Amino acid sequence: AQSVSQHNHHVILSEAASLELGCNYSYGGTVNLFWYVQYPGQHLQLLLKYFSGDPLVKGIKGFEAEFIKSKFSFNLRKPSVQWSDTAEYFCAVNGLNTDKLIFGTGTRLQVFP
Amino acid sequence: GAVVSQHPSWVICKSGTSVKIECRSLDFQATTMFWYRQFPKQSLMLMATSNEGSKATYEQGVEKDKFLINHASLTLSTLTVTSAHPEDSSFYICSARDIEDEKLFFGSGTQLSVL
Repeated sequence: AQSVSQHNHHVILSEAASLELGCNYSYGGTVNLFWYVQYPGQHLQLLLKYFSGDPLVKGIKGFEAEFIKSKFSFNLRKPSVQWSDTAEYFCAVNGLNTDKLIFGTGTRLQVFP
Repeated sequence: GAVVSQHPSWVICKSGTSVKIECRSLDFQATTMFWYRQFPKQSLMLMATSNEGSKATYEQGVEKDKFLINHASLTLSTLTVTSAHPEDSSFYICSARDIEDEKLFFGSGTQLSVL
């Protein structure tokens, strides 16, 4: 079955700490991978995406994610978080010829000054 | 950036009534819009794909007669929850795909509570 797992449901960090949010997927065939972020009171917005090529993808606001095909993973990282990174983060996947995005359950990140 | 307006942001209704949720792309056109539902602590689940000028495509297990979708123009899709029941209480989110660059933009969601 197609699914996305985000094992960290709630992460609490101090500013300047490093961040890694896990994302594992189960999907037959070639995939596109996404990380979306939802800041408090705002819409979901795209943080970064992987379609093909370099498995290390850099997104906005200093975030990056690495696609490891052998582990079916697409973990999100940031070397030094800021208070403004407090948000909900969603990992998502779709197949090459489908619009259907499959989302993980999300990870709530709280960053304290 | 592109904006998708979703209205209302929250609604409380009595069991048995119908509720309409609107999803508008404000500064771009979208031939395709998507409707998702999210229960607490669960994933966003795709309910249906809304195509301008044609019938929506529903995901398995989603009742098309209960969740009526209309995509009458390139900037507006509506989801009507008919004869709502408490189990329909959920967070509903729409997204729209920009016809120009195929980027996907999300609405802010609608929290539906059925009493």
